[in-house]
Amino acid sequence: EVQLVESGGGLVKPGGSLRLSCAASGFTFTQAWMSWVRQAPGKGLEWVGRIKSKTDGGTTDYGAPVKGRFSISRDDSKNTLYLQMNSLKTEDTAVYYCTTHPISIFGVASNWFDPWGQGTLVTVPS
Amino acid sequence: SFELTQPPSVSVSPGQAARITCSGDALAKQYGYWYQQKPGQAPILVIYKDSERPSGIPERFSGSHSGTAVTLTISGAQAEDEADYYCQSADTSDTDFVFGPGTKVTVL
Repeated sequence: EVQLVESGGGLVKPGGSLRLSCAASGFTFTQAWMSWVRQAPGKGLEWVGRIKSKTDGGTTDYGAPVKGRFSISRDDSKNTLYLQMNSLKTEDTAVYYCTTHPISIFGVASNWFDPWGQGTLVTVPS
Repeated sequence: SFELTQPPSVSVSPGQAARITCSGDALAKQYGYWYQQKPGQAPILVIYKDSERPSGIPERFSGSHSGTAVTLTISGAQAEDEADYYCQSADTSDTDFVFGPGTKVTVL
């Protein structure tokens, strides 16, 4: 069974930093493309960023609101995904979900997200 | 970036069909995907590649695509289908992913 377990959330002051982790199990993490998606309280879903597998270059892409402040990395030896968040703002307050891009039978990563972790809450008070 | 639009809410009587349409220019060239999210829970995928249903998703969930819009249909809606539903797509370079604002489905 695929499992994604996020951790590292908490309360951080504006301008501060925080690193989230996502422990993955039940699938071949080294081949997986991974994304972070967030959801502000009472709001909709917002894609944060994605990292490709190292086989596919390990490159990252980010949504405009976090570009230059957030960084995604991975440790394949630990089956763990990370989200380093710097220069945090009040508008970064959200539940942060870790999710995967399913791989097709042809070995191509998809553009959808499945499954998702349960999320970890990050609060940046005003 | 690009935008996807959805109605904020849809109401349906038990056993009737609920339809949610998601629109956006990106959908002219890209697939649409749908997620269900119940209060306090993580989203789950209910439709991928416009009309494909993941294993474990009931047959009453179906999807379609026409032009710059995708539609999620819940045929014979049940009380357990009350949730927020989000559409999602990608830009043509597959480097940006966007969700619609979400639609609250009420079964009453």
